Amino acid sequence: DVKVTQSSRYLVKRTGEKVFLECVQDMDHENMFWYRQDPGLGLRLIYFSYDVKMKEKGDIPEGYSVSREKKERFSLILESASTNQTSMYLCASSLVDEQYFGPGTRLTVT
Amino acid sequence: AQKVTQAQTEISVVEKEDVTLDCVYETRDTTYYLFWYKQPPSGELVFLIRRNSFDEQNEISGRYSWNFQKSTSSFNFTITASQVVDSAVYFCALSGDSGAGSYQLTFGKGTKLSVIP
Repeated sequence: DVKVTQSSRYLVKRTGEKVFLECVQDMDHENMFWYRQDPGLGLRLIYFSYDVKMKEKGDIPEGYSVSREKKERFSLILESASTNQTSMYLCASSLVDEQYFGPGTRLTVT
Repeated sequence: AQKVTQAQTEISVVEKEDVTLDCVYETRDTTYYLFWYKQPPSGELVFLIRRNSFDEQNEISGRYSWNFQKSTSSFNFTITASQVVDSAVYFCALSGDSGAGSYQLTFGKGTKLSVIP
């Protein structure tokens, strides 16, 4: 079974803090994705990566950056957290287009 | 640009009723794939089905069935004899064959299904 894990299920941070969300997959997938999910807005793609050290902007990259130093790990970075980044963050990986998701991290920025 | 519309925001049914979740999509690609995912209250999206644009046969898996109609750009999902465990948010998604971006999925906004005992 494909396993995608995220470092935290719940996280509370203060405005202005630098926040790291980690995602690890164990199926040697090339592609990895970060989404945020908000009520009424569905899933919105923040960043994705097709290979190590490669990244592409999604639909809402502002305020975020990513890092992919190893194939299995894809990190989402909030350089200076703001209250409007309070959300559920979902990581996914895929070999082709069928994506497998992690359990999500519910981030609250106060 | 691709688009997926799930017009039903929330649906409530009584246990054992049948329920259909609607999904309408827009794409200019000739080859594309359609997906359904389930997100139970625990939060993790679970893959249910993948269907390519050349295969319009309906699919049945236990109490779940999917009706793909290219003529109306729809990929509807029916749950027969619903159960409380079916309560979840269901997402329809679409991918295309547009080169480097083809592995991205475009998601609908989801339909929240509540099955009342």
